[in-house]
Amino acid sequence: SQQGEEDPQALSIQEGENATMNCSYKTSINNLQWYRQNSGRGLVHLILIRSNEREKHSGRLRVTLDTSKKSSSLLITASRAADTASYFCATDPIYGNNRLAFGKGNQVVVIP
Amino acid sequence: DAGVIQSPRHEVTEMGQEVTLRCKPISGHDYLFWYRQTMMRGLELLIYFNNNVPIDDSGMPEDRFSAKMPNASFSTLKIQPSEPRDSAVYFCASRPGGWNTEAFFGQGTRLTVV
Repeated sequence: SQQGEEDPQALSIQEGENATMNCSYKTSINNLQWYRQNSGRGLVHLILIRSNEREKHSGRLRVTLDTSKKSSSLLITASRAADTASYFCATDPIYGNNRLAFGKGNQVVVIP
Repeated sequence: DAGVIQSPRHEVTEMGQEVTLRCKPISGHDYLFWYRQTMMRGLELLIYFNNNVPIDDSGMPEDRFSAKMPNASFSTLKIQPSEPRDSAVYFCASRPGGWNTEAFFGQGTRLTVV
């Protein structure tokens, strides 16, 4: 079964609002990563959170990880039109031999 | 480094034809991945290599698909014969070895089989 399953939502928000996305997974992990994909482009890494970390920040991004619930969330604060993209979580399983398994992605549209 | 380079960016071919997609990973990266992205199935891992050796090809959909990595700087994904259901965006990604590293993706090849 696929690791890394985002809530299959399409978010449409106003510029300046916060956007939250969730991801659940099934097996033990080394880390969990979030990527962004703009239309017609490749995925770009945003942030990595290790299994022994609970929260991590990078600019306007905040990621949480709850290994007991096998879930993670990505919060984008003060969204901008340029944040319009699809966001994917990817898990790095402990016994996965460096393979990354991606969820299906959340599409976020930020309305100016 | 220019990042992961894929070619071609777009490919339109007729059913039954052979298609070859190419990838140049970032120099020094130990891992190379081939993914396929469709609306229905999302991002699927097809095959990945560690130091040019295929580690897991269980995601390769059929025998029509094959991948090679003859050296550390080049990989190909071949479909022969191609079918309309192979239409998708194919991504190559590379990743350094070690723990807790990120993957770097190419821009993808959009394949259309008519």
